[in-house]
Amino acid sequence: EAQVTQNPRYLITVTGKKLTVTCSQNMNHEYMSWYRQDPGLGLRQIYYSMNVEVTDKGDVPEGYKVSRKEKRNFPLILESPSPNQTSLYFCASSLVINTEAFFGQGTRLTVV
Amino acid sequence: EDQVTQSPEALRLQEGESSSLNCSYTVSGLRGLFWYRQDPGKGPEFLFTLYSAGEEKEKERLKATLTKKESFLHITAPKPEDSATYLCAVTNQAGTALIFGKGTTLSVSS
Repeated sequence: EAQVTQNPRYLITVTGKKLTVTCSQNMNHEYMSWYRQDPGLGLRQIYYSMNVEVTDKGDVPEGYKVSRKEKRNFPLILESPSPNQTSLYFCASSLVINTEAFFGQGTRLTVV
Repeated sequence: EDQVTQSPEALRLQEGESSSLNCSYTVSGLRGLFWYRQDPGKGPEFLFTLYSAGEEKEKERLKATLTKKESFLHITAPKPEDSATYLCAVTNQAGTALIFGKGTTLSVSS
């Protein structure tokens, strides 16, 4: 089954404690992206990757890092989380940017 | 600036009452316009891609159409299970991201 898998689904953490949200896709897609979704603001892109070892900033990259060492994995790293990073996060993948995107189930992160 | 505006923000329908959702976009050189459905707490689920003005696509009770400035998602004889947030997105001019509208939350009551 074609899917994008994110883990964890829910996470409560404290300010400053480094965390990683994993994302894996099984469709051999080249393009992967991370979004955050906040009430009233919609989905906003954090980082994207056009292919292995190629990553770049989206609209709201501050406080986040990513890596793309393998085609299937695209982890999101918060080196020092802050309360304003409390949000619902989605990973997405597509063959290329202007084709159907598959989204993960989401990670609800709370930073206290 | 690439932009997507959806209206209305919320829509309440009776079962069987057809209606349309609007998506207006501003982007130079449209590469693709996408419709997604999102249920509460879940990831967006792909519905349609439209690439050029005049294009139409259908799936069950849903039909998406595209002009040079906007897209419509027509819902014919909706059922309660059609209740969800419908998101519209376009590929940005740089070809690096999807730009999403804020969505239309549809509630269908029986």
